[in-house]
Amino acid sequence: AQSVTQPDIHITVSEGASLELRCNYSYGATPYLFWYVQSPGQGLQLLLKYFSGDTLVQGIKGFEAEFKRSQSSFNLRKPSVHWSDAAEYFCAGPSSGNTPLVFGKGTRLSVIA
Amino acid sequence: DTAVSQTPKYLVTQMGNDKSIKCEQNLGHDTMYWYKQDSKKFLKIMFSYNNKELIINETVPNRFSPKSPDKAHLNLHINSLELGDSAVYFCASSPSGTSERDTQYFGPGTRLTVL
Repeated sequence: AQSVTQPDIHITVSEGASLELRCNYSYGATPYLFWYVQSPGQGLQLLLKYFSGDTLVQGIKGFEAEFKRSQSSFNLRKPSVHWSDAAEYFCAGPSSGNTPLVFGKGTRLSVIA
Repeated sequence: DTAVSQTPKYLVTQMGNDKSIKCEQNLGHDTMYWYKQDSKKFLKIMFSYNNKELIINETVPNRFSPKSPDKAHLNLHINSLELGDSAVYFCASSPSGTSERDTQYFGPGTRLTVL
């Protein structure tokens, strides 16, 4: 079945440190992939998306993600994390069913001083 | 201006009651969705409407009934509430049909607590 997997449930990083959140996909063709962020008590906000072309995608809030077919990954990165980045991050991609999108289980990011 | 809005933001009610959650989008989108997010943050789609027509109906108890009076509104009515219905319910919309390319825009969520 087509899906996205986020292997890390919870990650803690120090403020100012770099960040990489993992997302793996299992699709035959090149998938459309998204990263969303959910701040505490808020809805989901789109950070970035990949459809085709340049495999390094720039998003909002200083985030980027790189599509790597050889590793079936679409990891989210940020060079320097701010305390306000503490949130839940969701990777999403096409579903094998009749729904357009399926979400990974999320990675909770904690930022410490 | 809020793009996708939901009311109420919080809803606390007793088991067995009937309640509704309202959603409105002012983006001019054709498709709207309801998602349920459980206590482990897992997001699962429940329903989707395209131009007032039901197009996705996942395995959801028939106590849940969506209604779309027009393409800008998608309400969720829940009958005979159960403890397991406690969750955060998100409304979302996307521009066209249910294309996998469509970006979905989410509302702020409604936290439902059933006592």
